[in-house]
Amino acid sequence: QVQLQQWGAGLLKPSETLTLTCAVYGGSLSDNFWSWIRQPPGKGLEWIGEINHSGRTNYNPSLKSRVTMSVDTSKKQFSLKLNSVTAPDTAVYYCAREFCTSDDCYQTYFQHWGQGTLVTVTS
Amino acid sequence: QSALTQPASVSGSPGQSITISCTGTSRDIGGYDYVSWYQQHPGKAPQLLIYDVSHRPSGVSNRFSGSKSGNTASLTISGLQAEDEAEYHCSSYTTNNIIFGGGTKVTVL
Repeated sequence: QVQLQQWGAGLLKPSETLTLTCAVYGGSLSDNFWSWIRQPPGKGLEWIGEINHSGRTNYNPSLKSRVTMSVDTSKKQFSLKLNSVTAPDTAVYYCAREFCTSDDCYQTYFQHWGQGTLVTVTS
Repeated sequence: QSALTQPASVSGSPGQSITISCTGTSRDIGGYDYVSWYQQHPGKAPQLLIYDVSHRPSGVSNRFSGSKSGNTASLTISGLQAEDEAEYHCSSYTTNNIIFGGGTKVTVL
């Protein structure tokens, strides 16, 4: 059973860089896409982007200019960097793996999720 | 403002059926059959309930069903149970992006 464990700084000042890392347990990093998704307090979800084991990325166009994702296959970890944060970036950030059946995997859906990290941006 | 529009809240009594709507445009829900629904209990990560408009992942109760008409997708919960009280999120693929609704709080009366 795939499990994701994430960590990173929970309190940032405006203009700083948000950095989060997610470790994959019980499964391989290969052959799947790995996403970051956030949820501002009391609001809906927002897809930030995805990365696969070879480093291929797709980012949400609204965040693309500030987002960088990376992967470390030797550690079975992937990371998110979001620069120049402001108060609207305050949210619970989740890492997630795409949904897979016995036949196929679907980049559009998310099956395994990390525990979430609350990141607060305040001066 | 979220990209997809959901009602803020829906309620029902145990055993009843409720339906949650999710309205988008021809560029997302109306243009692709890549619609999904997630259930989220307080303090927990979302759980996939429905994918490809109407398919249930293994292990998801058949009390949950999905459909789509035009630019609107719907999630129906039949035989409402206390454990169904949660937030429900719809999602759709759109060009180079995945978008979500604002979430619907389901209350079991």
